[in-house]
Amino acid sequence: AQSVTQLDSHVSVSEGTPVLLRCNYSSSYSPSLFWYVQHPNKGLQLLLKYTSAATLVKGINGFEAEFKKSETSFHLTKPSAHMSDAAEYFCVVSDSGGSNYKLTFGKGTLLTVNP
Amino acid sequence: DADVTQTPRNRITKTGKRIMLECSQTKGHDRMYWYRQDPGLGLRLIYYSFDVKDINKGEISDGYSVSRQAQAKFSLSLESAIPNQTALYFCATSDYRMGNEQFFGPGTRLTVL
Repeated sequence: AQSVTQLDSHVSVSEGTPVLLRCNYSSSYSPSLFWYVQHPNKGLQLLLKYTSAATLVKGINGFEAEFKKSETSFHLTKPSAHMSDAAEYFCVVSDSGGSNYKLTFGKGTLLTVNP
Repeated sequence: DADVTQTPRNRITKTGKRIMLECSQTKGHDRMYWYRQDPGLGLRLIYYSFDVKDINKGEISDGYSVSRQAQAKFSLSLESAIPNQTALYFCATSDYRMGNEQFFGPGTRLTVL
């Protein structure tokens, strides 16, 4: 079974300060992990993905995430927030086992960036 | 040059009406999915299809049906819409050769009055 918990439903930062969005996962197999972003009135865009290669994954727009198996975490970070980063972010897990089509979404973290 | 398109983008309907949401893709992917998004709940899988002759229920399929008319087209129907089906609906695609990354359409916002 797979599940994902996003630890904060809302994160508010000032422009130019670091961003940390936290995600813990549970998986019966070696997982694939993703972060998707949804801007207002837009679809979901893939930010980055982990698929058992390097544990530090770099994505688009300066975001990165680190897979920590011992902590079952996949937190999303960015050194300096930009106003355009304001959006909802979803952490997603997928088992690499038999049912590897299935994505399980977290409930989302709304990121607000203040000027 | 959207790879995954959904029509309509917005729809308002009344309780009891039959509604069809359509999804088309030009990515050449074999797998297609329908999800619904509700505030604070993330996305939940309604139906998925691995090819034209393979359709499967997801975790919340009650009240919905689907049709895979071609590899590139996957429609979602609400036979008799009810207000708690008001949500944002997403279609997605994937290619089994590329792992389990999914590509999402822009969404359809459905309101059932």
